[in-house]
Amino acid sequence: GDSVTQTEGLVTVTEGLPVKLNCTYQTTYLTIAFFWYVQYLNEAPQVLLRSSTDNKRTEHQGFHATLHKSSSSFHLQKSSAQLSDSALYYCALSTNAYKVIFGKGTHLHVLP
Amino acid sequence: EAAVTQSPRNKVTVTGGNVTLSCRQTNSHNYMYWYRQDTGHGLRLIHYSYGAGNLQIGDVPDGYKATRTTQEDFFLLLELASPSQTSLYFCASSEGWGSAETLYFGSGTRLTVL
Repeated sequence: GDSVTQTEGLVTVTEGLPVKLNCTYQTTYLTIAFFWYVQYLNEAPQVLLRSSTDNKRTEHQGFHATLHKSSSSFHLQKSSAQLSDSALYYCALSTNAYKVIFGKGTHLHVLP
Repeated sequence: EAAVTQSPRNKVTVTGGNVTLSCRQTNSHNYMYWYRQDTGHGLRLIHYSYGAGNLQIGDVPDGYKATRTTQEDFFLLLELASPSQTSLYFCASSEGWGSAETLYFGSGTRLTVL
């Protein structure tokens, strides 16, 4: 079946250092889009990035991700983590079948 | 920006109790969803709807009913609440059903079943 895998439940990084959150997927659908949602403490999830174009880099708020269909991946990266980036991050897959499939989420903890 | 409002913000009930969670969106979105969020499971889809009177079953529907009374309003009903339904519930909406549609979430309802 369709699935999204986020291998790390928690990623801890020191402020100013680069960070990478992993996301891989399995799907049988051809028409798909990918999202990263971010959820700050006591807030609702909100969209951070989205992409449906293979091998195209998408950027927002200093984060970037590139969809690689050859490796079924959509990793989220940032070159310099900030304290304010501490949050729960969800990778999500959307198909034209009917639903959005979320990964289990990765907590990012940025240390001073 | 889409506005999705959930009520109540917090709810405590007892096992076997009857609970209704409310959601209203004011951006004329066609699709509305109910998710539950649990540690280790992420966001899981309970029910969704693509218009007034329509209801579709999600991935974890057992023990839940839902009703879409208008384009704006979507309700989640727990008629015999159980402790396993203790969770953080999010309502979301999207304009349509396409692969690039963004979900807009409400602030959530934290439900505790004693």
